[in-house]
Amino acid sequence: ILNVEQSPQSLHVQEGDSTNFTCSFPSSNFYALHWYRWETAKSPEALFVMTLNGDEKKKGRISATLNTKEGYSYLYIKGSQPEDSATYLCAPYTGGFKTIFGAGTRLFVKA
Amino acid sequence: DGGITQSPKYLFRKEGQNVTLSCEQNLNHDAMYWYRQDPGQGLRLIYYSQIVNDFQKGDIAEGYSVSREKKESFPLTVTSAQKNPTAFYLCASSNMAGTQSLNEQFFGPGTRLTVL
Repeated sequence: ILNVEQSPQSLHVQEGDSTNFTCSFPSSNFYALHWYRWETAKSPEALFVMTLNGDEKKKGRISATLNTKEGYSYLYIKGSQPEDSATYLCAPYTGGFKTIFGAGTRLFVKA
Repeated sequence: DGGITQSPKYLFRKEGQNVTLSCEQNLNHDAMYWYRQDPGQGLRLIYYSQIVNDFQKGDIAEGYSVSREKKESFPLTVTSAQKNPTAFYLCASSNMAGTQSLNEQFFGPGTRLTVL
């Protein structure tokens, strides 16, 4: 089973702070890396999917980078807002029908 | 609106009883999945189905059963053989037509099952 690690497990920041967290995964048999955002009482929703080494994706204040050679991805949030509070899941995809999910980083943004 | 529905949102059952969790999608996706989440752990795959009348065991299938009689529906039964059934259960679907989707998952709102 693919071992996916996310750090930190949880993070408390003040409104306006910028923050980042990490997803690490084995770099073999890699097809793509998904990031999902999971807000409390809602369904997880896709944020980004990245496939190529060096990929960078951006959506508003949130961006992500990918290093497939060393097996990690960073998610950055610039100027955190309370509505960014959520659990952020990373999920490497290695083909077929199975996607492996990390345990997530739970972000709390205090106003 | 296209999406995935799961019912009920909360479910309580007595030890030794089987219980069935519902999952319906109107996204016209071929593939459907059941995941379990426990505190501090990632989503773990219970069962998945690529197509109607076909399904495969995931990583933690023991004590669970599924059926896929219709494309839209993928119910999960938690049997009395499941030793620790109290958990949060998420259903998902994906469009596996071609490779462009890269198995992006679309999730339902989940069912929280508590065994008393």
